[in-house]
Amino acid sequence: DIVMTQSPTSMSISVGDRVTMNCKASQNVGSNVDWYQQKTGQSPKLLIYKASNRYTGVPDRFTGSGSGTDFTFTISNMQAEDLAVYYCMQSNSYPPWTFGGGTKLELK
Amino acid sequence: EVQLVESGGGLVQPGRSLKLSCAASGFTFSNYGMAWVRQTPTKGLEWVASISTGGGNTYYRDSVKGRFTISRDNAKNTQYLQMDSLRSEDTATYYCARHGGYGGYLDYWGQGVMVTVSS
Repeated sequence: DIVMTQSPTSMSISVGDRVTMNCKASQNVGSNVDWYQQKTGQSPKLLIYKASNRYTGVPDRFTGSGSGTDFTFTISNMQAEDLAVYYCMQSNSYPPWTFGGGTKLELK
Repeated sequence: EVQLVESGGGLVQPGRSLKLSCAASGFTFSNYGMAWVRQTPTKGLEWVASISTGGGNTYYRDSVKGRFTISRDNAKNTQYLQMDSLRSEDTATYYCARHGGYGGYLDYWGQGVMVTVSS
């Protein structure tokens, strides 16, 4: 199975910050990595698919990049409503589809 | 508006069975693959099973193979997860989700249903 390793596991941030988090795949997954946002008490929500494509209705402050084994997710201008846990998932080699452990954003 | 509504969760003893349902609306259900994903505080998000548009292809994670069965009824716009021989490690919140692209990302998720396996 492909292991997805996210870093850091948590970040203390301020509104207006530029936030960058990473996801590393244990083997080449091409561009088949997606990013999800999960706010407390809610189900995950798709933000980015196939590494860099913003899903319908997702604000342009959210961007994704990368290919192969290394992927990056960035929030360019952090808003309070962006406090959440962010997960990456690979959909290249399945089954199984596999998720990273998540990066939790907290306010400083 | 796409909606996925799970039902059927609850408390069940180890070794017993439970069947989850996911009622879909707001899209042409038969055009999309579907999935079940579960979440626990310790293991995070875990994909459980997926099913193709017509139901002819199913996929399972190793730990549930032979115990769980995913199915769908396109006439009823509903997918199911039959869970047999339940174990304590199956305790989780179970989400129904839609595969947005072929074999790919999960673009809509239900609100989740809790399954607790305990004596």
